[in-house]
Amino acid sequence: ELKVEQNPLFLSMQEGKNYTIYCNYSTTSDRLYWYRQDPGKSLESLFVLLSNGAVKQEGRLMASLDTKARLSTLHITAAVHDLSATYFCAANFGNEKLTFGTGTRLTIIP
Amino acid sequence: GAGVSQSPRYKVAKRGQDVALRCDPISGHVSLFWYQQALGQGPEFLTYFQNEAQLDKSGLPSDRFFAERPEGSVSTLKIQRTQQEDSAVYLCASSGRQGFFEKLFFGSGTQLSVL
Repeated sequence: ELKVEQNPLFLSMQEGKNYTIYCNYSTTSDRLYWYRQDPGKSLESLFVLLSNGAVKQEGRLMASLDTKARLSTLHITAAVHDLSATYFCAANFGNEKLTFGTGTRLTIIP
Repeated sequence: GAGVSQSPRYKVAKRGQDVALRCDPISGHVSLFWYQQALGQGPEFLTYFQNEAQLDKSGLPSDRFFAERPEGSVSTLKIQRTQQEDSAVYLCASSGRQGFFEKLFFGSGTQLSVL
């Protein structure tokens, strides 16, 4: 079965702290995606990871991919309130459609 | 337009009513996808078009769901005889590449509530 699992599902962080969201997937994937979704809004593409060992960074967010472990991480550095949102990872398994995780709802507390 | 446009933004339907949801992809985008997002869940794939051809409809939950993209641009997702379990946000996304893609651009979605 093609599955993508994220943890934690809910995360409350204090501003200025670091934390990591984990994304495991069940079988070989061509590529791994991270999206952000604000309440009532659509999904915003953050990162696309194409190969083992890929690392991408944008501001306080850094995503990495370990295809051997079937694991991707989204690391948040020195969190700020603006990062409060739901973060989804998604994988495609040899075809065009994406399988999404259930999301991690991140709340940054002042 | 600059992004993927969906209409209506909200739709309330009585059980048994037919609904039609519209998606205007980014101009020139070849690939178009429909996803269904239930409250508190990740999006789930419904169907995929490459130009006007519907290449994958494996995610459509029943034969009450029908999608088309007759001229390879605008797409319509139609749900016949709506049921309460159809209540969800329906997201449309487009991509510029044929076949494999690097980035999907999502619309704001249509929130369907079936009473």
